[in-house]
Amino acid sequence: EPEVTQTPSHQVTQMGQEVILRCVPISNHLYFYWYRQILGQKVEFLVSFYNNEISEKSEIFDDQFSVERPDGSNFTLKIRSTKLEDSAMYFCAKSVEEYYGYTFGSGTRLTVV
Amino acid sequence: GQNIDQPTEMTATEGAIVQINCTYQTSGFNGLFWYQQHAGEAPTFLSYNVLDGLEEKGRFSSFLSRSKGYSYLLLKELQMKDSASYLCAVREPTGGGNKLTFGTGTQLKVEL
Repeated sequence: EPEVTQTPSHQVTQMGQEVILRCVPISNHLYFYWYRQILGQKVEFLVSFYNNEISEKSEIFDDQFSVERPDGSNFTLKIRSTKLEDSAMYFCAKSVEEYYGYTFGSGTRLTVV
Repeated sequence: GQNIDQPTEMTATEGAIVQINCTYQTSGFNGLFWYQQHAGEAPTFLSYNVLDGLEEKGRFSSFLSRSKGYSYLLLKELQMKDSASYLCAVREPTGGGNKLTFGTGTQLKVEL
């Protein structure tokens, strides 16, 4: 059973539309992250989320992005007005600080057309 | 600035040993990770080094030299299923916790 489940696995959306990517981390980890990977490029940090607040965000994470943990289990990334360059794989990740390990979810492939 | 370098591609023979190098220059350091990533899939954890030296885990070993900003991943008894991208990532402390900064990955092709 995967420790981190992401939905949907693939989403196609039109430019300018809003999308919500979901992550369900099983277990009570406190640290959550979103990363993205544009096809053929490196994995890039977007945002970290600790104790229900953003603790760090990258330059990529501008005003069109937001994260929430609306019900204490789901962890969402919202992109308000998608652009073509938002097309990428988006990975949710969690960590247990004492073990320093990061577990990545299966990813959502977002295609903006 | 942040810079993590690793070779773009490597080819090796089934049953052989391969070493994938990684050099890094980052603003902070709190450990180095190696991940394996098959095309279209998520990175999966292979190893973690925070102190200098060698960490061995079955067919995989990873080495770290903090003074040189250098690490390598050693894969022994290569199998066809080891064909994948291998990602070097540095954990950097931030004001609110930490983050991983990744290299571009080394695409390893294992041939018969």
